[in-house]
Amino acid sequence: DPKIIQKPKYLVAVTGSEKILICEQYLGHNAMYWYRQSAKKPLEFMFSYSYQKLMDNQTASSRFQPQSSKKNHLDLQITALKPDDSATYFCASSQDWGRDEQYFGPGTRLTVL
Amino acid sequence: GDSVTQTEGQVTVSESKSLIINCTYSTTSIAYPNLFWYVRYPGEGLQLLLKVITAGQKGSSRGFEATYNKETTSFHLQKASVQESDSAVYYCALGEAQTGFASALTFGSGTKVIVLP
Repeated sequence: DPKIIQKPKYLVAVTGSEKILICEQYLGHNAMYWYRQSAKKPLEFMFSYSYQKLMDNQTASSRFQPQSSKKNHLDLQITALKPDDSATYFCASSQDWGRDEQYFGPGTRLTVL
Repeated sequence: GDSVTQTEGQVTVSESKSLIINCTYSTTSIAYPNLFWYVRYPGEGLQLLLKVITAGQKGSSRGFEATYNKETTSFHLQKASVQESDSAVYYCALGEAQTGFASALTFGSGTKVIVLP
């Protein structure tokens, strides 16, 4: 059974629109993270949360907003979408914040036209 | 900042042959980071393959090995005899470890391995 669920698997959006990427983890972890991988680039860290509180934000743009309604949920809202936002977005979790053993979801591939 | 450089692109190898994926790292913030290899099988998320937190130590898992070499700042991944099921994308990663923990991992660009029967 998948322990980290990301929905949807694929997403196509138009420039200027808004989308929400869903992430749920069933590992009982207290910390969650978002990473992004654009074409031909390494995975880049975006955010980390611990007990639903933002711990680290390395995303320059305020168009990216994490939302945590429950401890095991960390959604990612992206507003005013641009073609450069096209990437695969990975959610991850770890037992506690800062613990290196992060477990990753399968990713959501976002294409912005 | 931190960076990780690994064998670029795709590596094709025949079953039962040996495999090596090179990984070197650079860090300005911490002398001895934690080092990882992650693997992504088709249709799945990244999985931790192995981790080494002490310079000079070797990690191993599923027949893969990697040694943390602080002199050459390298963490190459090797396997003596690959199988078709090893076909995947492999990522080298670095975690800052001033306290032994890190929240943000720095990844290499990934190396796609194709094992031919």
